[in-house]
Amino acid sequence: GQQLNQSPQSMFIQEGEDVSMNCTSSSIFNTWLWYKQEPGEGPVLLIALYKAGELTSNGRLTAQFGITRKDSFLNISASIPSDVGIYFCAGQGGSNYKLTFGKGTLLTVNP
Amino acid sequence: DTAVSQTPKYLVTQMGNDKSIKCEQNLGHDTMYWYKQDSKKFLKIMFSYNNKELIINETVPNRFSPKSPDKAHLNLHINSLELGDSAVYFCASRTWTEGETQYFGPGTRLLVL
Repeated sequence: GQQLNQSPQSMFIQEGEDVSMNCTSSSIFNTWLWYKQEPGEGPVLLIALYKAGELTSNGRLTAQFGITRKDSFLNISASIPSDVGIYFCAGQGGSNYKLTFGKGTLLTVNP
Repeated sequence: DTAVSQTPKYLVTQMGNDKSIKCEQNLGHDTMYWYKQDSKKFLKIMFSYNNKELIINETVPNRFSPKSPDKAHLNLHINSLELGDSAVYFCASRTWTEGETQYFGPGTRLLVL
């Protein structure tokens, strides 16, 4: 089946720093999604990407759909304490209608 | 205003019991899902319904049975609960006009003692 490798597993940064995380897939994806999950809550959609090469921003967040369709990255600029949470990438490929999720990146921001 | 809602939020029960979790979405979406998130936070799909029809059924024990009375509701019934069923269960929904973009509920935290 499809597999996603998400890295890093965790990050501990200072407030104001920029953050970058990425996901790579063993197969081609048609859609890449990035979610954030805070403690006790469900995943919340941050950015959706539908075309290879697409670069999309949402405030301080920027995500790109890789040209090879096998990878995506998420950048967070000028991090703030409320950015803390687990960030998940998710992808969908082929005729498979389901999403495959990465294992998440735990982000901690030190004020 | 709630888009995808689940009840209950917390569920503590004894091994061997039967329990149900309910999900409702008011987004007008066609497709709904159940996911299980384990203690390592890994999200794994269990089931999906499109317009009340089962379209995804992953390798899940027969003790788990989803039911969709209409396209706005997807419930999950679990028979003979086991310790390993303890997890957070998330409902999600999507519409076909937004690709695979799924919207998640707040989760049901199930603890089997």
